[in-house]
Amino acid sequence: DGGITQSPKYLFRKEGQNVTLSCEQNLNHDAMYWYRQDPGQGLRLIYYSQIVNDFQKGDIAEGYSVSREKKESFPLTVTSAQKNPTAFYLCASEGSPYSNQPQHFGDGTRLSIL
Amino acid sequence: QKEVEQDPGPLSVPEGAIVSLNCTYSNSAFQYFMWYRQYSRKGPELLMYTYSSGNKEDGRFTAQVDKSSKYISLFIRDSQPSDSATYLCAMSEVFNKFYFGSGTKLNVKP
Repeated sequence: DGGITQSPKYLFRKEGQNVTLSCEQNLNHDAMYWYRQDPGQGLRLIYYSQIVNDFQKGDIAEGYSVSREKKESFPLTVTSAQKNPTAFYLCASEGSPYSNQPQHFGDGTRLSIL
Repeated sequence: QKEVEQDPGPLSVPEGAIVSLNCTYSNSAFQYFMWYRQYSRKGPELLMYTYSSGNKEDGRFTAQVDKSSKYISLFIRDSQPSDSATYLCAMSEVFNKFYFGSGTKLNVKP
């Protein structure tokens, strides 16, 4: 089945450690997104990528990094510079930047501090 | 002022009730409007997608957009316990820049 796969489902980070969240899609979508979801807040955009080897910062990019080496994959690294990383992280994709189609989401990764 | 405002609830209704969920927004340039359903510990699932003003119906769900009032609604008829979830509205002026409400938690009691 076509979809977006995020892994792991749960992740724990120690102080000073970088961790990487995986996002893979087999929908042949060009655009991919990372959001952070905190209780009582809407989804906040971290990074997005419209094509391979290109990505842009969203509203809360500080302390995060991404890469887009393959169309199917858009991993997110939460660096030690992100002082409040505990949140639910959602990856989304969209057919093409101007396809006028809504985003589809994976099932998220919950990141906690040890 | 937030771009999108959504009452967080929780909203508790008996099974079979008609549910009305709403969002208001400030940017008159928004033209794409979406409703997502999110179960606990899961990602949002697209329920409805509308362009510009008007109504759209899909089974028990109806989405309404009133651009003059900057107000969108999602109606759920004959609500079921399986409808218990958080409902997120989202909207955009152009795709690749979406604005999400904070979500309304709905509980449908058997």
